[in-house]
Amino acid sequence: EDQVTQSPEALRLQEGESSSLNCSYTVSGLRGLFWYRQDPGKGPEFLFTLYSAGEEKEKERLKATLTKKESFLHITAPKPEDSATYLCAVLMRGKSGGYQKVTFGIGTKLQVIP
Amino acid sequence: NAGVMQNPRHLVRRRGQEARLRCSPMKGHSHVYWYRQLPEEGLKFMVYLQKENIIDESGMPKERFSAEFPKEGPSILRIQQVVRGDSAAYFCASSPGQLFNQPQHFGDGTRLSIL
Repeated sequence: EDQVTQSPEALRLQEGESSSLNCSYTVSGLRGLFWYRQDPGKGPEFLFTLYSAGEEKEKERLKATLTKKESFLHITAPKPEDSATYLCAVLMRGKSGGYQKVTFGIGTKLQVIP
Repeated sequence: NAGVMQNPRHLVRRRGQEARLRCSPMKGHSHVYWYRQLPEEGLKFMVYLQKENIIDESGMPKERFSAEFPKEGPSILRIQQVVRGDSAAYFCASSPGQLFNQPQHFGDGTRLSIL
């Protein structure tokens, strides 16, 4: 069965304390992996797409990396405004082959304390 | 440059009533996806539609739930005879085409509460 697991479920960091969030997956036919940020009461906001092992993407204090079994979201010197839930989603080949299907992990709730 | 628009943002229904959730995709987007999110749970896929076609409804309960995306107008997720277990946040996302080259963009959801 296709699975997407994010860890830790929750993470509390001091401002400036760098860390990494993990997204591991067991899916067949991976076509890509997305990272989203979700603030309370809002919809997910797109951050990155990664397509192949070894690929890296960066945006401000965030860097996403991908291996064959997992992805990491590295947060460097976080600020309180980085507090949010970070969601990982995998893009898989659909059953009919004609489209792709997205499966989300539960997310990591990040709190950055001033 | 409007994003995905969902309305209403909050909807309260009594058990047995109908709920209609609307989603207007981003301009130029012809693919719409509906997800359901419960507290402490991830986004669960419900249905994927293109204009006038349901592509994949494998995540949608077979009873009471239906979705459409007509040629004109917003996509509608309809829940008939609502029950307490239908209380959740329902999110809509859209994309201009298939997802390999472009991600989904989400609306801010409709929070459905069943009394």
